[in-house]
Amino acid sequence: QSVLTQPPSLSAAPGQKVTISCSGSSSNIGSNYVSWYQQLPGTAPKLLIYENNKRPSGIPDRFSGSKSGTSATLGITGLQTGDEADYYCGTWDGSLSAGVFGGGTKLTVL
Amino acid sequence: EVQLVESGGGLVRPGGSLRLSCAASGFIFSSYSVNWVRQAPGKGLEWLSFISTSGTTIHYADSVRGRFTISRDNAKNSVSLQMNSLRDDDTAMYFCAREGTPPRGPWGQGTLVTVSS
Repeated sequence: QSVLTQPPSLSAAPGQKVTISCSGSSSNIGSNYVSWYQQLPGTAPKLLIYENNKRPSGIPDRFSGSKSGTSATLGITGLQTGDEADYYCGTWDGSLSAGVFGGGTKLTVL
Repeated sequence: EVQLVESGGGLVRPGGSLRLSCAASGFIFSSYSVNWVRQAPGKGLEWLSFISTSGTTIHYADSVRGRFTISRDNAKNSVSLQMNSLRDDDTAMYFCAREGTPPRGPWGQGTLVTVSS
């Protein structure tokens, strides 16, 4: 049971837009920055979004992040087949004094 | 190139010990904190531990506190994870990842730990 809650799976057609939600509490998302990661099959996770809505260099602006209260959202526009991956949110939990991740969302582009 | 490379994984019996290493290159290692994160087969990411730049601040997940010990050697550009009293459910790919929690990265490619009799 993950501290952060994500939908297990989502699917959308190429070219469409999808949003992935991440729900937490006041001790984690509510008071700390959120990051988002993409994990392609058989590879290490890669940072997509940090500090809620910032993109590292090299990440296309099709990827966006937002946070409101105790929830965060990753948006992906112009879906491509190469976006098929697992997506994770992560943050710090002040009550646990620990890092926490969501359970992951498997995105299918069909 | 900024890079982290894990090593030390393998097959170990329940109750046994293993020491993982994370070798860093391409950046000023002593200026960055490091995390260990694992992923059990077919499962999600689980944060395990954090060590600050100087090693003075350390955090652990409840699941490994008292069994795992994180340390770093800035002179050798490396971080270690000493794992004792290993259990079946410690079987996973173990990643080290740079900078902050949650880590900004990069992440290493991972080293596989299998706990089995």
